[in-house]
Amino acid sequence: NAGVTQTPKFQVLKTGQSMTLQCAQDMNHNSMYWYRQDPGMGLRLIYYSASEGTTDKGEVPNGYNVSRLNKREFSLRLESAAPSQTSVYFCASTVGERGSYEQYFGPGTRLTVT
Amino acid sequence: AQSVTQLGSHVSVSEGALVLLRCNYSSSVPPYLFWYVQYPNQGLQLLLKYTTGATLVKGINGFEAEFKKSETSFHLTKPSAHMSDAAEYFCAVSSDTGRRALTFGSGTRLQVQP
Repeated sequence: NAGVTQTPKFQVLKTGQSMTLQCAQDMNHNSMYWYRQDPGMGLRLIYYSASEGTTDKGEVPNGYNVSRLNKREFSLRLESAAPSQTSVYFCASTVGERGSYEQYFGPGTRLTVT
Repeated sequence: AQSVTQLGSHVSVSEGALVLLRCNYSSSVPPYLFWYVQYPNQGLQLLLKYTTGATLVKGINGFEAEFKKSETSFHLTKPSAHMSDAAEYFCAVSSDTGRRALTFGSGTRLQVQP
């Protein structure tokens, strides 16, 4: 199993450009998440998807949209990138067993907005 | 609402010395607690977790943590540090049964001196 995969690994955007970060998992997990990691702030939840067909906002959703394309894939879109969105983005998924809550993380996408 | 506080953004120990990384949480319901490790330019890897049952949990690489409800703490320890333990460590709590998302602390960077 590849686990959780993310593309691209690195990206540089100019202010105002758009892009989509891709995430896929092959563990048959129901729930998927997008976090951003900034120095000294840990990881903060952007959006999550409890199951296929559902999405909901997390702690810092402004400037982002998501799509749960199917059970495997959960994408994050920046419609008009801003320098404040420079960050490392992690996708994660959960086993889905009641009470487990253990999350598996992808390797991350390092995004710079100039 | 839930939150996590990690005391000490940087901890430095000598090789062979005790490692103690502190984590305190707040949660209105019984929490599930996690420690993750992040090596440079990588994703997060689960070290250990507490869900229910025994309050002293053992994880990978010789780490362990003890859940102390009265102190709302979940400190991470390792008896003898190794150079390969140098990384950033994140404590996380999950007590939101709906979204199953994790709330992370701001992280502690562990440095191991030879």
